[in-house]
Amino acid sequence: EVQLVESGGGLIQPWDSLRLSCAASGFTFSTYFMSWVRQAPGKGLEWVANIKEDGSDKYYVDSVEGRFTISRDNAKNSVYLHMNSLRVEDTAVYYCVRGSGWYDPFDMWGQGTMVTVSS
Amino acid sequence: EIVLTQSPATLSLSLGERATLSCRASQSVSSYLAWYQQKLGQAPRLLIYDASNRATGIPARFSGSGSGTDFTLTISSLAPEDFAVYYCQQRSKWPLTFGGGTKVEIK
Repeated sequence: EVQLVESGGGLIQPWDSLRLSCAASGFTFSTYFMSWVRQAPGKGLEWVANIKEDGSDKYYVDSVEGRFTISRDNAKNSVYLHMNSLRVEDTAVYYCVRGSGWYDPFDMWGQGTMVTVSS
Repeated sequence: EIVLTQSPATLSLSLGERATLSCRASQSVSSYLAWYQQKLGQAPRLLIYDASNRATGIPARFSGSGSGTDFTLTISSLAPEDFAVYYCQQRSKWPLTFGGGTKVEIK
């Protein structure tokens, strides 16, 4: 069974940093693009970042470029989202997603981890 | 950035009725459009990719059509588990974008 399990969310103050993790299982992790998609409370979906199978290419939405970094460890079947200089508007549920949304669809989603940025 | 406009915002229908959801793009996305379903409190699920291809395990009552700027998701006969929010997403141009969603609710 394909599983994506996120962790690392929580309540954090503006300008602080946080790292989200996603543990994958049930598929050959190293052969898939991986992505992060977020959803602010009561709002729609927003693609945040994705990373190529071998980690060589990474893409970001403009609003997080320079503040967030996506990375992966294929030996640990894990993908990460390092978030710096967090803003109130970054408050959202962050989903770990299999696929790039570009070369292939977002075909499997984790249950999400909530990040709340508030003073 | 390509803007996807979904309509209506809310669709109130009864069990067994046909649902027709629209997604309009601000510029052509060819057939590079996907549809996702999100039930309350759950993660989204892929329904349709490349405008008309059903994802693995998706019932045949779900179908997608369209190309260019106008797309439709049709649910031929609503089942209880179909009441949810539906999002479209384009992969024609960076950044990847989603529509604002259509909520299908029980009338």
